[in-house]
Amino acid sequence: EVQLVQSGAEVKKPGESLKISCKASGYSFTSYWIGWVRQMPGKGLEWMGIVYPGDSDTRYSPSFQGQVTISADKSISTAYLQWSSLKASDTAMYYCARKSLGSGSYVFDYWGQGTLVTVSS
Amino acid sequence: SYVMTQPPSVSVAPGKTARITCGGNNIGSKSVHWYQQKPGQAPVLVIYYDNDRPSGIPERFSGSNSGNTATLTISRVEAGDEADYYCQVWDSSSDHVVFGGGTKLTVL
Repeated sequence: EVQLVQSGAEVKKPGESLKISCKASGYSFTSYWIGWVRQMPGKGLEWMGIVYPGDSDTRYSPSFQGQVTISADKSISTAYLQWSSLKASDTAMYYCARKSLGSGSYVFDYWGQGTLVTVSS
Repeated sequence: SYVMTQPPSVSVAPGKTARITCGGNNIGSKSVHWYQQKPGQAPVLVIYYDNDRPSGIPERFSGSNSGNTATLTISRVEAGDEADYYCQVWDSSSDHVVFGGGTKLTVL
């Protein structure tokens, strides 16, 4: 059974750093891209970027380029999303999602349960 | 960057048919995927490549895509279908994923 299990909720202060995780199981981790999606309170889904754990190739949405770092550790089947200096506007739910195989488009067939990040002084 | 427009809300009576649209420039040339998100839950894929259903998704869910509009159709709507629905494409020109703004489906 494919599972993406994300790390727990975080409460941080502005300026602090943070790294949240997404542990995959039930499939070959290195063969599928893993994406990250932000959902701000009461708002829609926003694509942040994606990483291919096989070779760590990473793509970012222009809106998030330079704001976050996406990475993966294939030795422990885990993808990461990190910030070096959080802002209050980073308060949101963050989802990881697996991109299905196939080159014609990006389809996210399995999703993590989400990690709520709250940034407040 | 590519932009897709969804109506903020759609209302439908139980047993009727709901149609949720996703507009975009020549969206018919792209593959459209649809996600259902219920309150407090992660999104779930309900339609991919315009009109394919993942296993476990009822046949009541179907999709179409032509010209400048893609449509998610839910037949014989049930109370349990009440959720937010998002369309999504991959913009090959920029190699970026794009989501529509989402539509809240209310079952009256």
